[in-house]
Amino acid sequence: NAGVMQNPRHLVRRRGQEARLRCSPMKGHSHVYWYRQLPEEGLKFMVYLQKENIIDESGMPKERFSAEFPKEGPSILRIQQVVRGDSAAYFCASSGSGGPYEQYFGPGTRLTVT
Amino acid sequence: GESVGLHLPTLSVQEGDNSIINCAYSNSASDYFIWYKQESGKGPQFIIDIRSNMDKRQGQRVTVLLNKTVKHLSLQIAATQPGDSAVYFCAERTPGNQFYFGTGTSLTVIP
Repeated sequence: NAGVMQNPRHLVRRRGQEARLRCSPMKGHSHVYWYRQLPEEGLKFMVYLQKENIIDESGMPKERFSAEFPKEGPSILRIQQVVRGDSAAYFCASSGSGGPYEQYFGPGTRLTVT
Repeated sequence: GESVGLHLPTLSVQEGDNSIINCAYSNSASDYFIWYKQESGKGPQFIIDIRSNMDKRQGQRVTVLLNKTVKHLSLQIAATQPGDSAVYFCAERTPGNQFYFGTGTSLTVIP
């Protein structure tokens, strides 16, 4: 009964390095969403993907951030040239073929930029 | 932009009492709403959802009420237990299929 899996759980990067966050959706789920959460704040939508397609990336910064969900393998959120302001918890959620309804969240990746 | 807000950022209740957490949403065209529970250091956990064609939905110890007239959502937890202590978020799904989350309400259950 594997749920949404994310790794790593904690990631420390120095300014200017790249961060790669991985998300494996629940078995049978084909929709993936990425959210960012700052301390004491709610979740902020970043991007919505289906296999090999970006459906909506309106919440993602135009520069340095990219996401993919390949035909095989996990979804990847990539942050290039990280800055201190990128420090946050990044959550991935998945939903089934019915579309963006009931979303199940992973445990998150906590990114710290030093 | 869209905004989903909560009336009370913190709520303390006695164990065994009922809890009510409120949420105001902004988009009258939003058609689907979810309540999540988030414990410290963990991802949000789905609690209950409701579609806009309903006013009320009940789960195990939880009830969600939707008032579309005033764009208000509430989560009622019956017989609150210490394990219910967490931050609770509401989320609305807009016609663009985006989910917007509120800041959250921190619920503390006093034994």
